Amino acid sequence: AQSVTQPDIHITVSEGASLELRCNYSYGATPYLFWYVQSPGQGLQLLLKYFSGDTLVQGIKGFEAEFKRSQSSFNLRKPSVHWSDAAEYFCAVDDYKLSFGAGTTVTVRA
Amino acid sequence: GAVVSQHPSWVICKSGTSVKIECRSLDFQATTMFWYRQFPKQSLMLMATSNEGSKATYEQGVEKDKFLINHASLTLSTLTVTSAHPEDSSFYICSLQTSGRADSGQETQYFGPGTRLLVL
Repeated sequence: AQSVTQPDIHITVSEGASLELRCNYSYGATPYLFWYVQSPGQGLQLLLKYFSGDTLVQGIKGFEAEFKRSQSSFNLRKPSVHWSDAAEYFCAVDDYKLSFGAGTTVTVRA
Repeated sequence: GAVVSQHPSWVICKSGTSVKIECRSLDFQATTMFWYRQFPKQSLMLMATSNEGSKATYEQGVEKDKFLINHASLTLSTLTVTSAHPEDSSFYICSLQTSGRADSGQETQYFGPGTRLLVL
């Protein structure tokens, strides 16, 4: 079965600084990968997804992610973080159903 | 993307009562919807897959008699927590899956805002 691992439980970043969230997956074939963001008390919003093609994927809110097959990774990045980016971020892989990582909580300090 | 709503957003009930949560697709006809449960500070756990016009498929360990799912139309799925107990308190989230060609990679899940259930 497919699975994803998010090694970082909590990340604190200063506003304006860059952000990178790690995601590692395990799957034999080309995976369908997603990043979702969950603001406090809310459902999940899709940031971006990778199915095939260009390994650098652009998403909403200035986020991007890079698929690296050699490293089995799909890390999420943002060059300059805004206070509104404070949230929970989930990486997910689709194998007929979504399997989510444990999530990474992002705190943004002024 | 598709817009998904849930009602209610918050519900508090007494132990032993049943609670119904609605999940609506506002702009998309969804043949498949999913129900997830999320405990505080944890990830989403898939409870069941709801298929329009047929019985839901439950994940291992999820009691189908406890969590009744009805997907009567292409825009509405309901989850009823029967005889709720404090341990059923959780954040319940539904999602729908947009469909594309099976191998096109266009299937994407869109999530509702969630329903927080507190059983006293």
